[in-house]
Amino acid sequence: SQTIHQWPATLVQPVGSPLSLECTVEGTSNPNLYWYRQAAGRGLQLLFYSVGIGQISSEVPQNLSASRPQDRQFILSSKKLLLSDSGFYLCAWSVIGRAYEQYFGPGTRLTVT
Amino acid sequence: AQSVTQPDIHITVSEGASLELRCNYSYGATPYLFWYVQSPGQGLQLLLKYFSGDTLVQGIKGFEAEFKRSQSSFNLRKPSVHWSDAAEYFCAVAPLYGNKLVFGAGTILRVKS
Repeated sequence: SQTIHQWPATLVQPVGSPLSLECTVEGTSNPNLYWYRQAAGRGLQLLFYSVGIGQISSEVPQNLSASRPQDRQFILSSKKLLLSDSGFYLCAWSVIGRAYEQYFGPGTRLTVT
Repeated sequence: AQSVTQPDIHITVSEGASLELRCNYSYGATPYLFWYVQSPGQGLQLLLKYFSGDTLVQGIKGFEAEFKRSQSSFNLRKPSVHWSDAAEYFCAVAPLYGNKLVFGAGTILRVKS
């Protein structure tokens, strides 16, 4: 069966520091991968999605970036965090051709101080 | 543009009572429709999905949802709520040939004993 992992589970970082969040999927090949951010009371916002290695689509302009160095690995990064980057970050995957049916990881709680 | 409206931010029900969470969508054609549940600090779990066919769909944990084309609605129901159902519930839609889900803002369910 497929599983999706995210780490770290929680993170507290000062403003201006770099960020790296990692997501990996097991038990499937060539998945679509997604990064979402969930701010308190604001639902889920799609940040990036990827349909293959090195293929990243950005949904919202911001100081975050994403990379997909391996088929089942998706990384969310920032060079300098802002206070507004605080939130709950969720990674999700779907089967190619079934992008509408997504499965989510456990999430990373990021607090920027 | 597609949009999803969940008009109730919070709902409180007594344990054992019935539940209905509302979801309305705006889209030119019938999209794929989903309900997800999120326990505090956790990722999202898919409760049920509608693609086509029977407008009443059954999901996990005793939930069901009914698609009503005339009302552009996809309301979630459960005949008898358990305390463990307390969580946040998200309705989502996806276009037939798109790469992403569009989420509603969520409804927080509180269950009182």
